[in-house]
Amino acid sequence: DTAVSQTPKYLVTQMGNDKSIKCEQNLGHDTMYWYKQDSKKFLKIMFSYNNKELIINETVPNRFSPKSPDKAHLNLHINSLELGDSAVYFCASSQGTSGEHEQFFGPGTRLTVL
Amino acid sequence: AQSVTQPDIHITVSEGASLELRCNYSYGATPYLFWYVQSPGQGLQLLLKYFSGDTLVQGIKGFEAEFKRSQSSFNLRKPSVHWSDAAEYFCAVGAAGGYQKVTFGIGTKLQVIP
Repeated sequence: DTAVSQTPKYLVTQMGNDKSIKCEQNLGHDTMYWYKQDSKKFLKIMFSYNNKELIINETVPNRFSPKSPDKAHLNLHINSLELGDSAVYFCASSQGTSGEHEQFFGPGTRLTVL
Repeated sequence: AQSVTQPDIHITVSEGASLELRCNYSYGATPYLFWYVQSPGQGLQLLLKYFSGDTLVQGIKGFEAEFKRSQSSFNLRKPSVHWSDAAEYFCAVGAAGGYQKVTFGIGTKLQVIP
């Protein structure tokens, strides 16, 4: 009965590889997010989707490409991985797009690029 | 654009002692304010939120926060800390209407000593 789930939980890969992280929510929410948390725990939004449509796209390298096949799923594909991409990536969801809504977070995916 | 400042990166308290974590925000209108907690290896979980009305807000796990407009603050308090409260605490601010992101502070790491 997990609300927001992500796979995989850990991802270790070499520089230059391409990898994907998957996210699913069963809360019936219409908005989903990707956040990056760096080693200092700073949490920065990357993307937001509402009903499969991209609505927030922060200054993120175009090696990062989100995809939302339906409103319950939001995946993140990363091309040509770099050392600086090492971080914990969190998926989140909310009911609504404005900043007044509580966000529900997944457990995170720890990405390590060697 | 909104912003959040958490002046204390790391706080250590003794078990049973009281706790106050500071948060200051910057936003032109009435903000939506949140406190989230992140336990080690976990995603973020909402502790409490303020939208309007009573400026003292009660949350889960015995936490409360007080909104002070004159000081642009939303400090988190707990009268008696338990060892299980050791975690990272994030203050966040959101704006109403349309497509709005939530901005998170850099977090305060709470250490509880016996």
